[in-house]
Amino acid sequence: EIVLTQSPGTLSLSPGERATLSCRASQSGNGKYLAWYQQKPGQTPRLLIYDASTRAPGIPDRISGSWSGTDFTLTISRLEPEDFAVYYCQQYGTSSGNTFGQGTKLEIK
Amino acid sequence: QVQLQESGPGLVKPSETLFLTCTVSGYSISSSYYWGWVRQPPGEGLEWIATIYHGGSAYYKASLKSRVTISEDVSKNQLSLNLRSVTAADTAVYYCVRGDALAIASFWGQGILVTVSS
Repeated sequence: EIVLTQSPGTLSLSPGERATLSCRASQSGNGKYLAWYQQKPGQTPRLLIYDASTRAPGIPDRISGSWSGTDFTLTISRLEPEDFAVYYCQQYGTSSGNTFGQGTKLEIK
Repeated sequence: QVQLQESGPGLVKPSETLFLTCTVSGYSISSSYYWGWVRQPPGEGLEWIATIYHGGSAYYKASLKSRVTISEDVSKNQLSLNLRSVTAADTAVYYCVRGDALAIASFWGQGILVTVSS
């Protein structure tokens, strides 16, 4: 089973700054089939990015995803107050190993 | 607008079987999409459990496969999850999800908290 390791565990930034979140896969199992989700306290997760770099409907273009090999990155170019939340990456598309990362908490500095 | 509504017991005793249902409205589960379950223990991260595609193809997390069954009832437009021999580690919010690809969750139900305790 592929293990996804997210870093950092917590990221403290101010509104207007740029956020870079990392998700590293333990092996190159499923190519670009990686998604990013955002979860705010008390809410259900929301899909942000799929296929590593494709924005889900309604997601602003200041949120972007990229990848190189087994390293995936979620970038938020200019943080808005509503962006502070927990972010999860997920590998999908396999028959049994569709794992999530442990999450990165993006908090206001 | 599609809606996913989970239902089931809020409390299950250890060693018993948890049975959850997801009622889908606004879309026929037999038409398309992958349908599944994701759970989240209180204060913890997300865990994919299982996915089903119309026609019977079911996929399970390897470590849960021996205890889990996912099924569909097209006549009721419902999805079900059966989790056997539960322990406290199965305490979580269980989400019903829909995805465009296997195990991705593009759309989420509100979730149901299930506590395993005697």
